[in-house]
Amino acid sequence: DSGVTQTPKHLITATGQRVTLRCSPRSGDLSVYWYQQSLDQGLQFLIQYYNGEERAKGNILERFSAQQFPDLHSELNLSSLELGDSALYFCASSAGGDTGELFFGEGSRLTVL
Amino acid sequence: DQQVKQNSPSLSVQEGRISILNCDYTNSMFDYFLWYKKYPAEGPTFLISISSIKDKNEDGRFTVFLNKSAKHLSLHIVPSQPGDSAVYFCAASLGGYQKVTFGTGTKLQVIP
Repeated sequence: DSGVTQTPKHLITATGQRVTLRCSPRSGDLSVYWYQQSLDQGLQFLIQYYNGEERAKGNILERFSAQQFPDLHSELNLSSLELGDSALYFCASSAGGDTGELFFGEGSRLTVL
Repeated sequence: DQQVKQNSPSLSVQEGRISILNCDYTNSMFDYFLWYKKYPAEGPTFLISISSIKDKNEDGRFTVFLNKSAKHLSLHIVPSQPGDSAVYFCAASLGGYQKVTFGTGTKLQVIP
């Protein structure tokens, strides 16, 4: 158990809809990262937050947005969903430190029909 | 721009033999390199890391080698066990709270 909690674990929705994925980081971790993994591909970095502020942005579509709340949990909002958005979405948290080691949740599997 | 590359999507090794997973990177500013292991239906878990100032780090059966001049690192697993069968991701970071960039992964199968 990494200590990172993601909900929901599975989500099935239709094209054009909007969903929200939620992440609770490990206790004390200030930084939250979102990654997307599609069809056995690598982990594509989407966005990073540190203590409520956006820290880095990757290949995140304009239809996607995220935020980190004062209690440090984070939400990833995906709107106007397309079939190609079907993927595993991972959240990770970090305590910082030298290595940048990340602790991942179990992921949220999104299926868009 | 894929800054971290794993050119072998899969690798099959006999139990007891050595598994060698390779990774190349392009950004010479990376401070740390990490290997993660991922089982199906689970999130990636940290395996081992190495600082850019070192060329080797060992943890039990796992050793990571770094060749900075070639911008190449490798993970050696000796001896390989069936439980090592998983997808292995190479990752690189600039340290601290910086973005962590992952490779595309190598699926290792250890045959009993």
